[in-house]
Amino acid sequence: LAKTTQPISMDSYEGQEVNITCSHNNIATNDYITWYQQFPSQGPRFIIQGYKTKVTNEVASLFIPADRKSSTLSLPRVSLSDTAVYYCLVGDPNNAGNMLTFGGGTRLMVKP
Amino acid sequence: KAGVTQTPRYLIKTRGQQVTLSCSPISGHRSVSWYQQTPGQGLQFLFEYFSETQRNKGNFPGRFSGRQFSNSRSEMNVSTLELGDSALYLCASMSEGVFTEAFFGQGTRLTVV
Repeated sequence: LAKTTQPISMDSYEGQEVNITCSHNNIATNDYITWYQQFPSQGPRFIIQGYKTKVTNEVASLFIPADRKSSTLSLPRVSLSDTAVYYCLVGDPNNAGNMLTFGGGTRLMVKP
Repeated sequence: KAGVTQTPRYLIKTRGQQVTLSCSPISGHRSVSWYQQTPGQGLQFLFEYFSETQRNKGNFPGRFSGRQFSNSRSEMNVSTLELGDSALYLCASMSEGVFTEAFFGQGTRLTVV
């Protein structure tokens, strides 16, 4: 599975847009990029998944450049409740099954 | 529909004992996986079961084992508990398909004393 690199922590303020970038230089052709959010003492929660270009849902947007060696999770107008750890995962969902490889994640702190 | 249910939520055990944790996946999901989360090692994959068969296994000692029943419910067992086994144990179920997402339970917090 492709290794991912993301910032250890980020700070932001309520109402701002937050962009978290993940590097995955060794991403394979069949790999998808998935982001999860985790609050303390809870299980991770799926945010968004994509393969290329841009994906948007009601929670976030995911930007993937043409070479797919990185991706950016964009959270619009964050609130205090968005304070959490965000994980970027890369893998082939058809081969990896439910075997997710989590890196260290990015600890986002949203301040009032 | 109901989410992933893990029981118990909290558990305190003594070194050398064994423990069994339970996970009920989302109805219709045949894949169940287990993860261990500790402050030092982060989230680590233990094993995955699909239709009662272990499909993937992480790098954990044989003291960690699991099984899955015909109704997709899964249990994991840790024998001869060590202090280092203290962790949050998470279970996730997943549906099939190209765009797949894992649904995690709230976890079982195991403390070994």
